[in-house]
Amino acid sequence: GAVVSQHPSRVICKSGTSVKIECRSLDFQATTMFWYRQFPKQSLMLMATSNEGSKATYEQGVEKDKFLINHASLTLSTLTVTSAHPEDSSFYICSARDGHNYGYTFGSGTRLTVV
Amino acid sequence: EDKVVQSPLSLVVHEGDTVTLNCSYEVTNFRSLLWYKQEKKAPTFLFMLTSSGIEKKSGRLSSILDKKELFSILNITATQTGDSAVYLCAVEENSGNTPLVFGKGTRLSVIA
Repeated sequence: GAVVSQHPSRVICKSGTSVKIECRSLDFQATTMFWYRQFPKQSLMLMATSNEGSKATYEQGVEKDKFLINHASLTLSTLTVTSAHPEDSSFYICSARDGHNYGYTFGSGTRLTVV
Repeated sequence: EDKVVQSPLSLVVHEGDTVTLNCSYEVTNFRSLLWYKQEKKAPTFLFMLTSSGIEKKSGRLSSILDKKELFSILNITATQTGDSAVYLCAVEENSGNTPLVFGKGTRLSVIA
């Protein structure tokens, strides 16, 4: 089945530093990657839609200069949290439509803790 | 205004009980409804529903969609402690590469 590999699975960083999260589609081409954020005991909230070769589309309230998205190839999308603050601590998950019967495939998620 | 509403938000049952989780939606161009199970990490796929009235089953889990009334249910029979998780309902609109819209989830706790 389709697999999206997401790294790192867990990261702790200091306030003010930047963190890069990678999502790679292993056996299919993901022209579009969706980035979600999930706070404790809440549902997944769409942050942005990443399109290969073009600028990402951000949801209302999500700062594009803070959450940099790059989708340079059909198999790799990255999310960089710049100048991280403790309130950015969350669970970040990527997802892509894989074209198979079960629709969307999720990465394993990245738990970011900013101290 | 939420497009996908799940109920109940949380539920505690005993092993062996049967549970029904609800999901109602309101979207302009419905394409599919998906159910996911989320434990500590990313959601895992359960069902994808596109047609009304056709029950999908996987072991003790089953789900059905009513496109006229705009809702779906997820049934779990003979619940086990391993069923404890958050169950997410998501709706896909339009066609092609559009993001899923998630409900807030139902947190199910199965106690021995």
